Amino acid sequence: DTEVTQTPKHLVMGMTNKKSLKCEQHMGHRAMYWYKQKAKKPPELMFVYSYEKLSINESVPSRFSPECPNSSLLNLHLHALQPEDSALYLCASTGASTEAFFGQGTRLTVV
Amino acid sequence: RKEVEQDPGPFNVPEGATVAFNCTYSNSASQSFFWYRQDCRKEPKLLMSVYSSGNEDGRFTAQLNRASQYISLLIRDSKLSDSATYLCVVSYNTDKLIFGTGTRLQVFP
Repeated sequence: DTEVTQTPKHLVMGMTNKKSLKCEQHMGHRAMYWYKQKAKKPPELMFVYSYEKLSINESVPSRFSPECPNSSLLNLHLHALQPEDSALYLCASTGASTEAFFGQGTRLTVV
Repeated sequence: RKEVEQDPGPFNVPEGATVAFNCTYSNSASQSFFWYRQDCRKEPKLLMSVYSSGNEDGRFTAQLNRASQYISLLIRDSKLSDSATYLCVVSYNTDKLIFGTGTRLQVFP
């Protein structure tokens, strides 16, 4: 099973809402990632968890809050987002080889 | 200067053509190198890892030049289905995976 599952696939939220994106992998990978991708741009790294601990935060605004409840799950909690935060949010995981497997992404629209 | 840079594209080539993409990276401590392809509105998918000795997978050949901090991808006998964006990915400090700016390929009949 080389699958990373993200839910929901699409999300529309208001600027005062609180929502969460979820990511799950069962490959025993030790590192999990959140990326943000705007149209016609490459994915931009947001956060990395290694062995369930936050190892990299690329100066992401605090309205994005990551959480890693266990080695298979990664969440991204969203609060008070802005319209410019609308993007495709991608989750990925890596094992010993550092080859990353990506989920299908959550397409987020902030209205 | 971006950490990982690629030819901007787009590359428009006929079926059967050979096309080459380049990628340069700025951090000499980079450890692992990959090429991913991304179709429109889909997630990136691993195409191949890149090794110092160079490696080939069917019509695809990847090369790494550590001295020049340069990676390349060669696609031979292009197919319509090769149309996609090709992303160079560089890893250092093990956990940090950085994407290049991407190169769009369009193969026409």
